[in-house]
Amino acid sequence: EAQVTQNPRYLITVTGKKLTVTCSQNMNHEYMSWYRQDPGLGLRQIYYSMNVEVTDKGDVPEGYKVSRKEKRNFPLILESPSPNQTSLYFCASSYGGGSKNIQYFGAGTRLSVL
Amino acid sequence: DQQVKQNSPSLSVQEGRISILNCDYTNSMFDYFLWYKKYPAEGPTFLISISSIKDKNEDGRFTVFLNKSAKHLSLHIVPSQPGDSAVYFCAASRYGGSQGNLIFGKGTKLSVKP
Repeated sequence: EAQVTQNPRYLITVTGKKLTVTCSQNMNHEYMSWYRQDPGLGLRQIYYSMNVEVTDKGDVPEGYKVSRKEKRNFPLILESPSPNQTSLYFCASSYGGGSKNIQYFGAGTRLSVL
Repeated sequence: DQQVKQNSPSLSVQEGRISILNCDYTNSMFDYFLWYKKYPAEGPTFLISISSIKDKNEDGRFTVFLNKSAKHLSLHIVPSQPGDSAVYFCAASRYGGSQGNLIFGKGTKLSVKP
């Protein structure tokens, strides 16, 4: 089954404690992205990657890091989480441009930073 | 500056009637538009898309209309069903979406009442 898998689904942590949210896709997609969803703000892109070792900032990259060492994986790293990073996070992947830029989303990771 | 705007946070319609969800954009470089549907506790799922070279795209009960001169698109759902109750996001991309970079609106919550 084609899917984007995020882990964990729920996470409660404390300020400053480094964490990683994993994302894996099994569709051999080139593009992968991370978004956060906040009430009244919709979906905002954090980082995206067009291929292995190629990443770029989205609209709200501050406080986040990503890496793309393998095509299927795109982890999101919070080196020193802060309460304003409490949010619902989504990973997405797509084949690429034009009509192929239909992004498939994971089920989400709800993060609370205390 | 919000480039993709969904000005109605919510919409309520009766089962069997038409639902019309609206989206406005400001960036004339956008050339590919998508609608996503999101149920609670799930990731967004792709619904329908349209290229800027078209003014209409239809898929079953769902039709998207694009008015480039007005920088406006709309999603029509006919007839509406209770299972259509969800949050709908409008998204746009540039260069045919070649960069995998989608800009999302804030979403409209649709409630279809039996």
